[in-house]
Amino acid sequence: ETGVTQTPRHLVMGMTNKKSLKCEQHLGHNAMYWYKQSAKKPLELMFVYNFKEQTENNSVPSRFSPECPNSSHLFLHLHTLQPEDSALYLCASRGAGRADTQYFGPGTRLTVL
Amino acid sequence: EDQVTQSPEALRLQEGESSSLNCSYTVSGLRGLFWYRQDPGKGPEFLFTLYSAGEEKEKERLKATLTKKESFLHITAPKPEDSATYLCAVQAPAGNQFYFGTGTSLTVIP
Repeated sequence: ETGVTQTPRHLVMGMTNKKSLKCEQHLGHNAMYWYKQSAKKPLELMFVYNFKEQTENNSVPSRFSPECPNSSHLFLHLHTLQPEDSALYLCASRGAGRADTQYFGPGTRLTVL
Repeated sequence: EDQVTQSPEALRLQEGESSSLNCSYTVSGLRGLFWYRQDPGKGPEFLFTLYSAGEEKEKERLKATLTKKESFLHITAPKPEDSATYLCAVQAPAGNQFYFGTGTSLTVIP
């Protein structure tokens, strides 16, 4: 495996379900990101982890819970979601340089019924 | 408020018809400006990073340029396989925050 991988690629869940999204990076990066992408809107930053420590939380509802056990893995735990949470969820990783590029995974297409 | 604006929202070109996409930004103390290509249902694919005004980068039919307030992605003699959404992002001075535009959806017609 190379780059940034995400599983599952597609997820359909009910409003009362609990599920988790997984991201893994094979680039040796130390920063990992969760973004939400909805139609006609800019990518919306959700969480940032740097060396496993959360450094950004952009007022994300508590029904989204991130977890970063090490620099290579990032999870997004989902519970009691709303239909408006349906979107493409993207994970990205970045190196430690001053203006290092973010590299994205393929995303998880989430549908909340 | 820091902002990134891309134009046009959508662009249709005939194969071989060159054009430019625009990304204007209001972030002060820019650390870097990034261009990505995104195909439907996939994650953004990195194209270029520009760091300072006057800088240019090229890759095949694409050329990115940067001024103090905007960046252009020039597409020369596009092919149908260049059809995608092109995203622009800027890195804020703090370092961890990236601001994205809404993208330009490019369609190249054979």
